[in-house]
Amino acid sequence: TQLLEQSPQFLSIQEGENLTVYCNSSSVFSSLQWYRQEPGEGPVLLVTVVTGGEVKKLKRLTFQFGDARKDSSLHITAAQPGDTGLYLCAGPPFGNEKLTFGTGTRLTIIP
Amino acid sequence: NAGVTQTPKFRILKIGQSMTLQCTQDMNHNYMYWYRQDPGMGLKLIYYSVGAGITDKGEVPNGYNVSRSTTEDFPLRLELAAPSQTSVYFCASTFTGMVNQPQHFGDGTRLSIL
Repeated sequence: TQLLEQSPQFLSIQEGENLTVYCNSSSVFSSLQWYRQEPGEGPVLLVTVVTGGEVKKLKRLTFQFGDARKDSSLHITAAQPGDTGLYLCAGPPFGNEKLTFGTGTRLTIIP
Repeated sequence: NAGVTQTPKFRILKIGQSMTLQCTQDMNHNYMYWYRQDPGMGLKLIYYSVGAGITDKGEVPNGYNVSRSTTEDFPLRLELAAPSQTSVYFCASTFTGMVNQPQHFGDGTRLSIL
């Protein structure tokens, strides 16, 4: 059973389009992190959201933590080829100290 | 700025062979982790360590062993390789165990068991 489900699993869009990927759970999380992983490399942290309803922006990327702290979304505006990669959400279920990783969304931006 | 270094990058093993995946970090981080990454399954925690001499099991420890004799090094050992252990293995570290801290990952070891 996967605690964090990400959707879609794969997404391929044209450069300049907007997109949203989702990270959902039936459990409450203390916080959620988003990582991006490029081929042949390890994941790199993009952002951590801590408070229910929190919104954080990183240039063209907008991250939101659900009010109930069970879900999160990542919205990319005007996608660029450099956004291509595997996006992973991760978080500690409430009361647990260890990170649980989501299944990942593999994003491809076509020039 | 090396960060977390993993060796080897690739390895092919025969069933029943053993090997050690090396991981070293130069950030003086206390916490270190081993994950495996399988397609469509995210990362699963194998073992972790909160400091030299202290290790504990994660979600999927069977078939693996670890040791932590120094702060810098956290090797992962496969004693009897099985096809189910074909995966990409990542080592990570954090300065403390606070869950909001970013995990710093190495570039992984791609292991195939044939």
